[in-house]
Amino acid sequence: KAGVTQTPRYLIKTRGQQVTLSCSPISGHRSVSWYQQTPGQGLQFLFEYFSETQRNKGNFPGRFSGRQFSNSRSEMNVSTLELGDSALYLCASSSLGTGVNEQFFGPGTRLTVL
Amino acid sequence: KNEVEQSPQNLTAQEGEFITINCSYSVGISALHWLQQHPGGGIVSLFMLSSGKKKHGRLIATINIQEKHSSLHITASHPRDSAVYICAVEGGGADGLTFGKGTHLIIQP
Repeated sequence: KAGVTQTPRYLIKTRGQQVTLSCSPISGHRSVSWYQQTPGQGLQFLFEYFSETQRNKGNFPGRFSGRQFSNSRSEMNVSTLELGDSALYLCASSSLGTGVNEQFFGPGTRLTVL
Repeated sequence: KNEVEQSPQNLTAQEGEFITINCSYSVGISALHWLQQHPGGGIVSLFMLSSGKKKHGRLIATINIQEKHSSLHITASHPRDSAVYICAVEGGGADGLTFGKGTHLIIQP
């Protein structure tokens, strides 16, 4: 079974731009969660989608948004990029969502904002 | 909001030593995860547990719900165990996972 894939793996943007990151979960998994990892704040939960619905949301501004498609693939978008958005963005999939099954993480997208 | 504390932050040990990493949290939870992150960023889920003890190979995870505490043990440690180990909890009034800062483990040959 193929693992969780994320594209692109690396991205460089400038302040004010927007960016879209993509996550393809393990086949059959219906839950996709997104996380941000920075040296200062560590890992933080962004949001979780399950069957195309946002089920949980972390404490991030509205510039961070996401969606999930009928094939369970998910995208997250960050608008009006700030320097502080530079981070490793990880997605994880599970078959039934957090608290029920373990999560399988993708390799991450490293975003640099200049 | 759940506060997740891990100790130690950094640990250097010799190959073969028994390793213990601790995780404490402040509010009751539904599940606790132990994750391993290697240089380059990839994260692997090691355990998800809500009570008792689990064992995979040389790794053992325990949780004490009453004391709000979990431990990850590595027996017969090996240099390939060098990584950052992260504790994360679910529930306790927060959405999604709340993470500890991680324990940076180095096993020297």
